[in-house]
Amino acid sequence: DTEVTQTPKHLVMGMTNKKSLKCEQHMGHRAMYWYKQKAKKPPELMFVYSYEKLSINESVPSRFSPECPNSSLLNLHLHALQPEDSALYLCASKYRDFTDTQYFGPGTRLTVL
Amino acid sequence: SQQGEEDPQALSIQEGENATMNCSYKTSINNLQWYRQNSGRGLVHLILIRSNEREKHSGRLRVTLDTSKKSSSLLITASRAADTASYFCATDGDTGGFKTIFGAGTRLFVKA
Repeated sequence: DTEVTQTPKHLVMGMTNKKSLKCEQHMGHRAMYWYKQKAKKPPELMFVYSYEKLSINESVPSRFSPECPNSSLLNLHLHALQPEDSALYLCASKYRDFTDTQYFGPGTRLTVL
Repeated sequence: SQQGEEDPQALSIQEGENATMNCSYKTSINNLQWYRQNSGRGLVHLILIRSNEREKHSGRLRVTLDTSKKSSSLLITASRAADTASYFCATDGDTGGFKTIFGAGTRLFVKA
């Protein structure tokens, strides 16, 4: 199983809502990532979890809150977002470190009204 | 800031032709990877080339790496309409391997 799954596929939320994005992999990968991608732009790294600990936070606003409950799951909690946060949010995982391939999920298309 | 820069930004070719995309980067790397992304979907890993490798093949794909020039190229031979997508290079740098930085990408359009 080389699949990273993400739910939901699409999400529309108001600026006062609280929602969560979920990501799951069962490949035994120990590094998991959140990326944000705007239209016609490359993915931008937001967070990296390594062995379930936050190892990289690219100075993302606190209205985005990551959580890694266990080695297979990664959540991104959203609160008080702005319309400019509308984007494709991609989750990825890799086994350990630089020797390994990153596997991406299909993404969650987020629209903030 | 983005590590990799790619050119061309967009490329339109006829089916059957070869497509070449280039990527340049700024710092030392452990490896360089190429990904494909169909419109609005997740990225698909195509090929990884390590810093001590110069060339790698996978099916119709050929990747080269020149660490002295900090550049890489992706060649797709005998292109098909299904190859229409955005192609990104990505580097892991040499800072522990967890931070992946993507280039701006090349949008390839293959006309049938």
